[in-house]
Amino acid sequence: KQEVTQIPAALSVPEGENLVLNCSFTDSAIYNLQWFRQDPGKGLTSLLLIQSSQREQTSGRLNASLDKSSGRSTLYIAASQPGDSATYLCAVIDYTHSNYQLIWGAGTKLIIKP
Amino acid sequence: GAGVSQTPSNKVTEKGKYVELRCDPISGHTALYWYRQSLGQGPEFLIYFQGTGAADDSGLPNDRFFAVRPEGSVSTLKIQRTERGDSAVYLCASSLTEDEQFFGPGTRLTVL
Repeated sequence: KQEVTQIPAALSVPEGENLVLNCSFTDSAIYNLQWFRQDPGKGLTSLLLIQSSQREQTSGRLNASLDKSSGRSTLYIAASQPGDSATYLCAVIDYTHSNYQLIWGAGTKLIIKP
Repeated sequence: GAGVSQTPSNKVTEKGKYVELRCDPISGHTALYWYRQSLGQGPEFLIYFQGTGAADDSGLPNDRFFAVRPEGSVSTLKIQRTERGDSAVYLCASSLTEDEQFFGPGTRLTVL
């Protein structure tokens, strides 16, 4: 059974710092991996999607990497800003489920201090 | 274009009552998913529709939960005899391909 783990559960850093959020998954036979952002009381915003054949994806100050063989992904945020404060979730689609359902980590709650 | 919408945004009910949660997917999206997110956790899969039929309802926790999508568009998640443990955010997502799901804002259900 696929399990997705995110470490740390919470992180607080001063504005301007670069930071890394970690995601690990137990079954490397994944179709893709996505990073989402969730703001309190709001829905999920997709940040980056990495296909299983890809190693990384970049969008602005965000860079996500994927090492499928070791079951790990990282989300790198450069020059953090207070507006980056949110919960970051990673999720995978694997081949165990033919319905392409997302299997989620519990998230990392990020606080950027001004 | 319009994204996925969910109504109501918040629902407070009493233990034992019946509730319906509605999801309007993106027009033309054939796949629709319901997930449930408890406080401090990631979402968990409930049910998947491909068109009108429930292709996979393996995530529904028990027979108090039921969902329909009669015309292959709008879906309703129905919960009978609600319990306090049903309190969560219920998320709906739709997709056109297997690659990416688009999420609605969710319905926050509170069972008193």
